[in-house]
Amino acid sequence: QVQLQQWGAGLLKPSETLSLTCAVYGGSFSDYYWSWIRQPPGKGLEWIGEINHSGSTNYNPSLKSRVTISVDTSKNQFSLKVSSVTAADTAVYYCARGEPAVIGHYYCYYMDVWGEGTTVTVSS
Amino acid sequence: SSELTQDPAVSVALGQTVRITCQGDSLRSYYASWYQQKPGQAPVLVIYGKNNRPSGIPDRFSGSSSGDTASLTITGAQAEDEADYYCNSRDSSGNHLVVFGGGTKLTVL
Repeated sequence: QVQLQQWGAGLLKPSETLSLTCAVYGGSFSDYYWSWIRQPPGKGLEWIGEINHSGSTNYNPSLKSRVTISVDTSKNQFSLKVSSVTAADTAVYYCARGEPAVIGHYYCYYMDVWGEGTTVTVSS
Repeated sequence: SSELTQDPAVSVALGQTVRITCQGDSLRSYYASWYQQKPGQAPVLVIYGKNNRPSGIPDRFSGSSSGDTASLTITGAQAEDEADYYCNSRDSSGNHLVVFGGGTKLTVL
């Protein structure tokens, strides 16, 4: 059973850098994409970006200038950094495993394993 | 296009059938995935692919697709199905982005 365990600082001041790490236990690390998703209070899910085992990344264009996702394959971990945070970055941050697939003439992409979430609050 | 559109709220009587829809250009080439999220909890995958349920998801949950619209159907809704539901896929523009719908709040009456 694959599990994701995430951790990082939960209270930041404006202009600081958010830093979270997600560890993968119990499964392959190399066959998937590893994503970060956030959810502001009372709002929907927002994809932040993803990385694969070789370090190839994709980022949400709305956050790309402030976001870095990195991977440590020796530890089966991946990390998120968001620079220059403001109150708008206050959210629950989730890590998740993404699996792409091809089914007939269609593609599919789904996130089947999620971390428990980390609440990050930005306040002066 | 990188948008997936969902109705903000839907209600269903206990034991009845409800359909939650998700519309977007990417769904012409991607099957939608569907997630259930209850308050204070992480999202849970309930449907992926053409109509696949992960282990442990009741068979009252099913998925379908037509053109640019994907649907999640709950046949015989239970009180415990009251939750937020999100659809998701990759963006079909070739930019390798991931997109979520805005979510649908399901109320079981």
